[in-house]
Amino acid sequence: EVQLVESGGGLVQPGGSLRLSCAASGFSFSSFAMSWVRQAPGKGLEWVSGITGSGTKTYYADSVKGRFSISRDNSKNTLYLQVNSLRAEDTALYHCAFGGYRDGNNVRYFDYWGQGTLVTVSS
Amino acid sequence: EIVLTQSPATLSLSPGERASLSCRASQSINDQLAWYQQKPGQAPRLLIYDASHRATDIPARFSGSGSGTDFTLTISSLEPEDFAVYYCQQRSNWPPITFGQGTRLEIK
Repeated sequence: EVQLVESGGGLVQPGGSLRLSCAASGFSFSSFAMSWVRQAPGKGLEWVSGITGSGTKTYYADSVKGRFSISRDNSKNTLYLQVNSLRAEDTALYHCAFGGYRDGNNVRYFDYWGQGTLVTVSS
Repeated sequence: EIVLTQSPATLSLSPGERASLSCRASQSINDQLAWYQQKPGQAPRLLIYDASHRATDIPARFSGSGSGTDFTLTISSLEPEDFAVYYCQQRSNWPPITFGQGTRLEIK
């Protein structure tokens, strides 16, 4: 069974940093591109970042480019999102997600989602 | 960036009725569109990919149509569990991948 479990969220002051983690199990982690998708409280979905299976290619939304960094450790089956220079508008539930065998190493659609880790940016 | 506009914002219907949700793209995205369902406190669930293909284990009452800039999600006969928020998503011209703002399907 595919499982994605996020951690690392919390309350942080504006300008602060966090490292979010997504522990994956139940599938061949290194074979699949992965993404982070966030959802502000009561708002819609926003794709944040994506990474290929090998980790060699990374992609970002303009709203986080230069502040967030996606990476992965395939030996630990773990996806990361380093979030720096946090702003109030970054407050959201951060999900990791991927598309499964249909999409493979391409970031396309999201069949599998974790339950998310909450980041709250406030002074 | 491709902008997806969903309409209506809220749709009020009764169980057994037919629902039609619209998603319009700011430029052609061919058929690279997905639909998701999200219930309170849950992660989104993929319903439709590539505009018209049902994802695994999705009931046949859900169907998707359209190409280019205009897309529709149809629920042929609403079940009580179908009342939720629905999002469309494109990945034609990316990054970024973008989502619509959502349509809330509520019980009338």
